Amino acid sequence: AQRVTQPEKLLSVFKGAPVELKCNYSYSGSPELFWYVQYSRQRLQLLLRHISRESIKGFTADLNKGETSFHLKKPFAQEEDSAMYYCALNTNAGKSTFGDGTTLTVKP
Amino acid sequence: DTGVSQNPRHKITKRGQNVTFRCDPISEHNRLYWYRQTLGQGPEFLTYFQNEAQLEKSRLLSDRFSAERPKGSFSTLEIQRTEQGDSAMYLCASSLVLPNDEAFFGQGTRLTVV
Repeated sequence: AQRVTQPEKLLSVFKGAPVELKCNYSYSGSPELFWYVQYSRQRLQLLLRHISRESIKGFTADLNKGETSFHLKKPFAQEEDSAMYYCALNTNAGKSTFGDGTTLTVKP
Repeated sequence: DTGVSQNPRHKITKRGQNVTFRCDPISEHNRLYWYRQTLGQGPEFLTYFQNEAQLEKSRLLSDRFSAERPKGSFSTLEIQRTEQGDSAMYLCASSLVLPNDEAFFGQGTRLTVV
């Protein structure tokens, strides 16, 4: 069975500091991994997906199959990055298994 | 807002009553998903449709739960004989039938069973 673990429920950094949100997964097949973000009072939305290898809003994430990780990183956090972040693993048919989320707070 | 729409946004019901939620996906999306989210947890998969066919149901979906997607457009999720443990946010999402395609989420229906 697939599983996604986000070990930190809460993460607080100062503006301009680097931030890393951790995500580990277990899955026997070839994983498709995503990061979703939910800003205050907004719906859940896709931030980035591993297959695109893109940087969105300054965030990047690298899939490390050896460590079964997909950590989200940003070199300089901004106050507007404060949100709930979910790591998700897609298996067949696009069905997602989500982690329990990390609340990121960026302090001024 | 032309995204995924869910109604109602909030529902308070007494234990034992039946409730029905509606989801209108993005019009060209073939796939539609239902998730449930409780406080402090991530969304948990309940079921999904491809067009009008319900292709998978989670074990979380007890026989009190039923979902339909007639004509492959909107979907309804019904909970019969609600229990306090059913209190949660029910999320709907839709996507195209493409590998790695992005799922677009609705704002959810928050159910409170008293």
